[in-house]
Amino acid sequence: AQSVTQLDSHVSVSEGTPVLLRCNYSSSYSPSLFWYVQHPNKGLQLLLKYTSAATLVKGINGFEAEFKKSETSFHLTKPSAHMSDAAEYFCVVSDQGNNLFFGTGTRLTVIP
Amino acid sequence: GAGVSQSPSNKVTEKGKDVELRCDPISGHTALYWYRQRLGQGLEFLIYFQGNSAPDKSGLPSDRFSAERTGESVSTLTIQRTQQEDSAVYLCASSLGSSGGIDTQYFGPGTRLTVL
Repeated sequence: AQSVTQLDSHVSVSEGTPVLLRCNYSSSYSPSLFWYVQHPNKGLQLLLKYTSAATLVKGINGFEAEFKKSETSFHLTKPSAHMSDAAEYFCVVSDQGNNLFFGTGTRLTVIP
Repeated sequence: GAGVSQSPSNKVTEKGKDVELRCDPISGHTALYWYRQRLGQGLEFLIYFQGNSAPDKSGLPSDRFSAERTGESVSTLTIQRTQQEDSAVYLCASSLGSSGGIDTQYFGPGTRLTVL
């Protein structure tokens, strides 16, 4: 069975400091993994995806995530937070049948 | 309470036919979104309804795609003259639509469309 756990419901960082949003997955198959961002009153936007190519995936807006099979993790990072990064972030796993399993989301607050 | 529901859960159709997908949002949610996910791809935004405002149709891939929403309730996504590349899972989400701040979206289970 597939599932995703986002370990923090809320993360708060100061502007200019690193961001770490944690995600652990459970999958019976080789998964596809995604991070999405949701800004206020906007639809979900794809940040990056992992589909069994390079384990370090670079996305938009300076975000990247590393697939670690041994730890079943796919944490999202960014070296330096901007105010515009304040949003809700979703980790999603997709199985071979294209079924989607969403994490519960992590709300990122950026303090000026 | 009840979550977002979608029907049908699975739809198989022949190329060239029209299909209608239905979404029932959570009661009281003014915002409604449609997304598409093709096999191995990420979610693709299609259209967004917010209250009585004109919908954001910027994600619709072609004029074969259209969506309607009755007030702040049910929405239907219509695909005319379906093509094989339309095969995907179509997801609906709703949210309170509160202005400012983060407005968490709640997703339905999706409709899996297969075009033969």
